Amino acid sequence: AQTVTQSQPEMSVQEAETVTLSCTYDTSESDYYLFWYKQPPSRQMILVIRQEAYKQQNATENRFSVNFQKAAKSFSLKISDSQLGDAAMYFCAYRSVPSGTYKYIFGTGTRLKVLA
Amino acid sequence: SQTIHQWPATLVQPVGSPLSLECTVEGTSNPNLYWYRQAAGRGLQLLFYSVGIGQISSEVPQNLSASRPQDRQFILSSKKLLLSDSGFYLCAWSPGRRNSPLHFGNGTRLTVT
Repeated sequence: AQTVTQSQPEMSVQEAETVTLSCTYDTSESDYYLFWYKQPPSRQMILVIRQEAYKQQNATENRFSVNFQKAAKSFSLKISDSQLGDAAMYFCAYRSVPSGTYKYIFGTGTRLKVLA
Repeated sequence: SQTIHQWPATLVQPVGSPLSLECTVEGTSNPNLYWYRQAAGRGLQLLFYSVGIGQISSEVPQNLSASRPQDRQFILSSKKLLLSDSGFYLCAWSPGRRNSPLHFGNGTRLTVT
């Protein structure tokens, strides 16, 4: 079974600085998708960025980018120019494709604090 | 556009009472539907998912059950709540395409007393 690990329960970053959140996963599949979700204090889950496993190019969305290392099974999220509104829980998620079960497996999350 | 509705937003129930949480999706057909529970330090735990009417896959054996009586309706139930059922419950949907992300409802905070 696939697993997703976020080893940093909490991170802090100074406003305007850059922070990287770590995520590793375990799978025997070669075709899958990876996602980062943000959960602000409102608890609404917001999609931040997605990565297709067969694409070597790292995904970017404005200030958010990923470092996808398929061989290492690593999928880290980099937030540049951190803003106070970036403070939230961040979840890494894995979606299996070949099995056809359409399950999305989430990590335990990293709480990001942004210091003014 | 597609929207997902989940209710109630908060619920306080005594131990041993029944539970019914409802989720509906608008603006799409034949969505994949999911129930997750979020507990402190455990991330999002997948409870049930459904790829069609009457098709329910259970991920965690417990006293909860799910049903999909209509194409865009997903219900989470329990006959008798336990204290350990307290948590934040999230309904989500996906179009089922290979690159689709999950789209979440606003969640239900359940407190079992």
